[in-house]
Amino acid sequence: DAMVIQNPRYQVTQFGKPVTLSCSQTLNHNVMYWYQQKSSQAPKLLFHYYDKDFNNEADTPDNFQSRRPNTSFCFLDIRSPGLGDAAMYLCATSRVNGRSNQPQHFGDGTRLSIL
Amino acid sequence: AQSVTQLDSQVPVFEEAPVELRCNYSSSVSVYLFWYVQYPNQGLQLLLKYLSGSTLVKGINGFEAEFNKSQTSFHLRKPSVHISDTAEYFCAVRTLSGGYNKLIFGAGTRLAVHP
Repeated sequence: DAMVIQNPRYQVTQFGKPVTLSCSQTLNHNVMYWYQQKSSQAPKLLFHYYDKDFNNEADTPDNFQSRRPNTSFCFLDIRSPGLGDAAMYLCATSRVNGRSNQPQHFGDGTRLSIL
Repeated sequence: AQSVTQLDSQVPVFEEAPVELRCNYSSSVSVYLFWYVQYPNQGLQLLLKYLSGSTLVKGINGFEAEFNKSQTSFHLRKPSVHISDTAEYFCAVRTLSGGYNKLIFGAGTRLAVHP
């Protein structure tokens, strides 16, 4: 089945040690999103790629970066994780084409813990 | 700016009882509304969406929602819930920002179904 896959499902890293989360999709969607979701809160958009065009949210810390080497893959890099970065990270995709309003499809998330 | 308010943070209900999860939005332009469900340690799954047309929208798992423009509401309903409906439910509105589609989520409603 076509889907959005996030690896790993659970990630533990040390305070200040860089970490990379990955997302892949078989939907051939042109937009990929990264959200941060802390416990009992709504997902918060960090940034998204429209094709190769990177769009950062104004309040996303510089500590968070992203790469999209091709249509299928997108990575979230946290350069120096702090305790406050412990959260669930959700990847989503959608097809945006002119006035198309396709809903976003989400992966199952990666839960990041910081020691 | 568009925003979403979910009026209840938690809704306890007994199995086979009806339930309504409330959602109000603010928007000065055409609205596209969504309900997502999130089971523990999983991503978000689309329940239903309103883009245009009939104001009563039917979704998966027996859920439905009614778009009410005059009351700026998009409440989610199910006539008879199951234990398996226990989850977090998010209402969201699509917004345009910088030429790109984004989702604005409500804070979520935790539905707890008891036997």
